[in-house]
Amino acid sequence: AQSVTQPDIHITVSEGASLELRCNYSYGATPYLFWYVQSPGQGLQLLLKYFSGDTLVQGIKGFEAEFKRSQSSFNLRKPSVHWSDAAEYFCAVGKEYGNKLVFGAGTILRVKS
Amino acid sequence: GAGVSQSPRYKVAKRGQDVALRCDPISGHVSLFWYQQALGQGPEFLTYFQNEAQLDKSGLPSDRFFAERPEGSVSTLKIQRTQQEDSAVYLCASSSLRTNNYGYTFGSGTRLTVV
Repeated sequence: AQSVTQPDIHITVSEGASLELRCNYSYGATPYLFWYVQSPGQGLQLLLKYFSGDTLVQGIKGFEAEFKRSQSSFNLRKPSVHWSDAAEYFCAVGKEYGNKLVFGAGTILRVKS
Repeated sequence: GAGVSQSPRYKVAKRGQDVALRCDPISGHVSLFWYQQALGQGPEFLTYFQNEAQLDKSGLPSDRFFAERPEGSVSTLKIQRTQQEDSAVYLCASSSLRTNNYGYTFGSGTRLTVV
């Protein structure tokens, strides 16, 4: 069965500092991988996705993620964090087109000025 | 409409009460999903519709949960005889098969509190 692990429940970074949020997945075949962001009281917004091809994926709001098959990881990065990036971030894996997603438990990002 | 609309935004139910949660997907979107997000957790899949057909209901936690989409547009998630463990945010998402894979748009959710 598919599963997703986000090892960090909370992360605090200073504004302007770099960010890396970790995600490990378990799935036998090539997974479809996603990062979503959720602000309080809001729905989930897709940041980026990986299906195949280039393992470094660019997303919205300056985020990128790198797929590493050997480590079963899909870590999210941003070179310089802004206060508006404070939110909860979810990694998710899917099996095939249009099917359900399996989400990790999320990482809450706090940004200090 | 421009986005996925869910109503009500908040619902407080007494234990044992029945509730109905509504989802208005983006017009023309074929696929519709329901997810349950407990406090401090990621969303968990409940059920999936393609038009009016419920193709996957493997995530519904018990027979007290029922979902329908009779005309292939608006969907209702019904929970009978609510229990405290049903307290969660219920998220709806829709997608069009004509867009990119997994082109979900999520609604803002309904927060259900069972007291």
